[in-house]
Amino acid sequence: EAEVAQSPRYKITEKSQAVAFWCDPISGHATLYWYRQILGQGPELLVQFQDESVVDDSQLPKDRFSAERLKGVDSTLKIQPAELGDSAMYLCASSLGASGGSTDTQYFGPGTRLTVL
Amino acid sequence: AQSVSQHNHHVILSEAASLELGCNYSYGGTVNLFWYVQYPGQHLQLLLKYFSGDPLVKGIKGFEAEFIKSKFSFNLRKPSVQWSDTAEYFCAVNAGQNFVFGPGTRLSVLP
Repeated sequence: EAEVAQSPRYKITEKSQAVAFWCDPISGHATLYWYRQILGQGPELLVQFQDESVVDDSQLPKDRFSAERLKGVDSTLKIQPAELGDSAMYLCASSLGASGGSTDTQYFGPGTRLTVL
Repeated sequence: AQSVSQHNHHVILSEAASLELGCNYSYGGTVNLFWYVQYPGQHLQLLLKYFSGDPLVKGIKGFEAEFIKSKFSFNLRKPSVQWSDTAEYFCAVNAGQNFVFGPGTRLSVLP
């Protein structure tokens, strides 16, 4: 069964350092999502791509976070500089969504757990 | 803004007990509804979804959910829980381009 791949699974960094997370969606999935999940809370959407274009990044802290999906396949989420409050699980999900529509089912990767010291 | 609430933060049940987890959303238009589960140490998995048609939907592992439009609710149910159902359960709502998760309910099933 195809799965969403993410790496690394765990990342420990010091504040003010740069970190990057990688996601490879299920083959053929046009829509890709990055979420942040703080312990004890539900996932919060950071950015949504439709192919290589950003559809929604309204919740992305753009002063320090950036995301790209240059060829419309895999994606990278970067934080620079990292702050203590960025400690969380970063989840990637993908869906078929030719149009990123509301009937899409999202499939999640295992996540990257970030700890900022 | 669209929001999703889940009634219970933590539910503790004994095996064979019946389960109902509440989910309410605030959005007046057409919505698509999901329940996801996250078992300890595993990633989020889809339990079931509602797009249209019969408001009672059945998912994997004996779970079902009922969409009640007038109450803006999509409660998750299972008649008899097992220890292996111990997990975190998330309700999610998709309206248009916005996909919003609830805060989650942690279910602990005692053997």
